[in-house]
Amino acid sequence: SQTIHQWPATLVQPVGSPLSLECTVEGTSNPNLYWYRQAAGRGLQLLFYSVGIGQISSEVPQNLSASRPQDRQFILSSKKLLLSDSGFYLCAWSYGGGDTEAFFGQGTRLTVV
Amino acid sequence: GENVEQHPSTLSVQEGDSAVIKCTYSDSASNYFPWYKQELGKGPQLIIDIRSNVGEKKDQRIAVTLNKTAKHFSLHITETQPEDSAVYFCAARGAGGSYIPTFGRGTSLIVHP
Repeated sequence: SQTIHQWPATLVQPVGSPLSLECTVEGTSNPNLYWYRQAAGRGLQLLFYSVGIGQISSEVPQNLSASRPQDRQFILSSKKLLLSDSGFYLCAWSYGGGDTEAFFGQGTRLTVV
Repeated sequence: GENVEQHPSTLSVQEGDSAVIKCTYSDSASNYFPWYKQELGKGPQLIIDIRSNVGEKKDQRIAVTLNKTAKHFSLHITETQPEDSAVYFCAARGAGGSYIPTFGRGTSLIVHP
């Protein structure tokens, strides 16, 4: 069966520090991968998506970047965190095409202080 | 791109009552409509979905209806229980491109015992 792992679960980082959140998927090949941010208003804001290794599309200009060094690994990074980067970050995957659901990780609660 | 509107943002009901959450979408090419339940501090989990070739689907106390002509779909929960309290998201997923799911802003459902 397929599983998605996202870590860490919680993170407190000072302003100006770097960030690296990692997400891995097991049990499938060539998935679509997504990073979402969920702020206090509950909505899911799509940050990045990837349809293959090294292929990253950004939906919203921001202080963050994403990379996909391996087929089932998706990394969210920042060189210098801002207070406004605080939020709940969710990684998700879906099959490469067609009408299927997205499967979410358990999320990372990031607090920038 | 796709735009999904979800209402209401908050819904408060008494245990045993029914709850209805409504969503509209803009892209007539969308053909897959999942509903997710998110409990506090966790990632969203799929609870039911419907495809464009079906008008209604039911799973125990949960049902979803789809009106493709009007481009709206709804989640119905009957005989609500306190454990149904959570944030619910609707989503629409298109038939082309990278099949990115677009989410509504979420509905916070509170079931009072």
